[in-house]
Amino acid sequence: QKEVEQDPGPLSVPEGAIVSLNCTYSNSAFQYFMWYRQYSRKGPELLMYTYSSGNKEDGRFTAQVDKSSKYISLFIRDSQPSDSATYLCAMSAGNFNKFYFGSGTKLNVKP
Amino acid sequence: GAGVSQSPSNKVTEKGKDVELRCDPISGHTALYWYRQRLGQGLEFLIYFQGNSAPDKSGLPSDRFSAERTGESVSTLTIQRTQQEDSAVYLCASKLGQGAKGTEAFFGQGTRLTVV
Repeated sequence: QKEVEQDPGPLSVPEGAIVSLNCTYSNSAFQYFMWYRQYSRKGPELLMYTYSSGNKEDGRFTAQVDKSSKYISLFIRDSQPSDSATYLCAMSAGNFNKFYFGSGTKLNVKP
Repeated sequence: GAGVSQSPSNKVTEKGKDVELRCDPISGHTALYWYRQRLGQGLEFLIYFQGNSAPDKSGLPSDRFSAERTGESVSTLTIQRTQQEDSAVYLCASKLGQGAKGTEAFFGQGTRLTVV
């Protein structure tokens, strides 16, 4: 069993839709949770970072962490074609010796 | 430089040859990571440096893989006797400090390695 599971998609939505991306994990030591966006042939860029359980909002993006269920989510409101990319969840224990990544969900926002 | 720089951006090599991949982290970043990304897959951890030391090299897939870091700056990942299964994008990331200090890890654009 992988430590981090993520539905690979692809997920196709119309412009303006609310997008929900999710990951589950098995290691209860994870404390830091991140979402990266990766455009084709580019390196991942950090979108959101959350410590422990709770919600965090940044513009159109909201990250949620439920440690009791070992489940994290990223919501994108008013999705735009420029949001079309692969979204990777990542998590780490407190020592940050490594980040554990999901396999990524490919999102396509149609104009 | 402003970001993490990796070179070369693309490398095609013949099976059995050795390759060296280079990573220039953001200046002042003491933590450095190497990851591998196979086509359509997530990131696979290879090795973590704190300064010039590698406290976690558990992800190196075989003894054909090695990495070093000098001057708390540049890192090179060496793959000896390359195999076709080594074909992937090799990503480097750097982070400001140890532990939770400077949580954000910045990635380079990667080196796309193709073994033919």
